[in-house]
Amino acid sequence: DARVTQTPRHKVTEMGQEVTMRCQPILGHNTVFWYRQTMMQGLELLAYFRNRAPLDDSGMPKDRFSAEMPDATLATLKIQPSEPRDSAVYFCASGLMARGGTEAFFGQGTRLTVV
Amino acid sequence: DAKTTQPPSMDCAEGRAANLPCNHSTISGNEYVYWYRQIHSQGPQYIIHGLKNNETNEMASLIITEDRKSSTLILPHATLRDTAVYYCIVRVAGTGGFKTIFGAGTRLFVKA
Repeated sequence: DARVTQTPRHKVTEMGQEVTMRCQPILGHNTVFWYRQTMMQGLELLAYFRNRAPLDDSGMPKDRFSAEMPDATLATLKIQPSEPRDSAVYFCASGLMARGGTEAFFGQGTRLTVV
Repeated sequence: DAKTTQPPSMDCAEGRAANLPCNHSTISGNEYVYWYRQIHSQGPQYIIHGLKNNETNEMASLIITEDRKSSTLILPHATLRDTAVYYCIVRVAGTGGFKTIFGAGTRLFVKA
């Protein structure tokens, strides 16, 4: 059963610490998305990659957030330094983008708490 | 990006059809309509998508008006497990980049 895997599922860290969230997209998918969800803002698109290249990261605070795809099986989202306002659930999704449209499959999310 | 408008919440009796409306009056000719749902604390789940024609799969039916300015997601026999937030999204598909932007969605309560 193919699925997007995110680790860790939960993370509690102190303000100022570096946080790294990992995502394993579904094998064969060529597009990866990072979203953040909070009660106030809902689901926000942070960045997305196609064929490992960043297409749009305009939703990310550039000074502290960075997203990469070291290889086709791993996407990472880093926050350095972390702040309490970064507390949220971070979702990764992957899809196979092709003409005709397709769906994105979401992972279970990483619940981040910065204290 | 095209925007969507959905009612904030709806109720539905178990076993009855749930009809969730969505307005997307600024949709462009090459933009698809997608529906996702999110059950509490889980990642969003794809339901269905379409461009012009009505679509049906094992989960739901999607009815798109002829002018494509609105659509309706139909859950034919709602169950308690269908209680969730339902998101209507328009997205450009194909080559190049695109964005999937989620709005506030409709919170559907299915009641016994």
